[in-house]
Amino acid sequence: DGGITQSPKYLFRKEGQNVTLSCEQNLNHDAMYWYRQDPGQGLRLIYYSQIVNDFQKGDIAEGYSVSREKKESFPLTVTSAQKNPTAFYLCASSPPGQDTYEQYFGPGTRLTVT
Amino acid sequence: AQKVTQAQTEISVVEKEDVTLDCVYETRDTTYYLFWYKQPPSGELVFLIRRNSFDEQNEISGRYSWNFQKSTSSFNFTITASQVVDSAVYFCALSKYGNNRLAFGKGNQVVVIP
Repeated sequence: DGGITQSPKYLFRKEGQNVTLSCEQNLNHDAMYWYRQDPGQGLRLIYYSQIVNDFQKGDIAEGYSVSREKKESFPLTVTSAQKNPTAFYLCASSPPGQDTYEQYFGPGTRLTVT
Repeated sequence: AQKVTQAQTEISVVEKEDVTLDCVYETRDTTYYLFWYKQPPSGELVFLIRRNSFDEQNEISGRYSWNFQKSTSSFNFTITASQVVDSAVYFCALSKYGNNRLAFGKGNQVVVIP
């Protein structure tokens, strides 16, 4: 079945450590996105990529980094510079084309940093 | 700037009652898209509807219906005869044409009581 996978579902890290969240899609979508969700809040865009080897900062990119070496993969690294990294992280992708299409989301990774 | 406001944070209804979720948006763009997503307790966002700014027809899909009123910048969502499975957080989102960046509202937590 086509879809988006994120692993792991739960992730625990010590403060000061970098951590990488995985996102893979087999939908043949060009665009991929990373969002952060905090309790009682909507989703906020961290980074997005319209095409392989290219990505742009979203609204809250500070303390995060990404890479897009393959169409299927868009990993997110939460660095030690991120002040409040504990959150729910969602990856999404959308179909290619000039129009604005809906985004399809993965199951999310809940990151806890202590 | 684009902004989405979902004023009601948590709504509780008894099973079989109808529930309407309000979404008010702000944008300077003449062409834009509006979306609704459902986030069940599992965390993954599920796409419900995409509507462009030129299509003001109301839409019905099963027990779900949407009322788009450009004059009041609103895109409201009604669940008819609610069921326990409708318990979730519902997000309204906005995007300009040709740009897949979504601006999300803070969401409505719907609790359906059996």
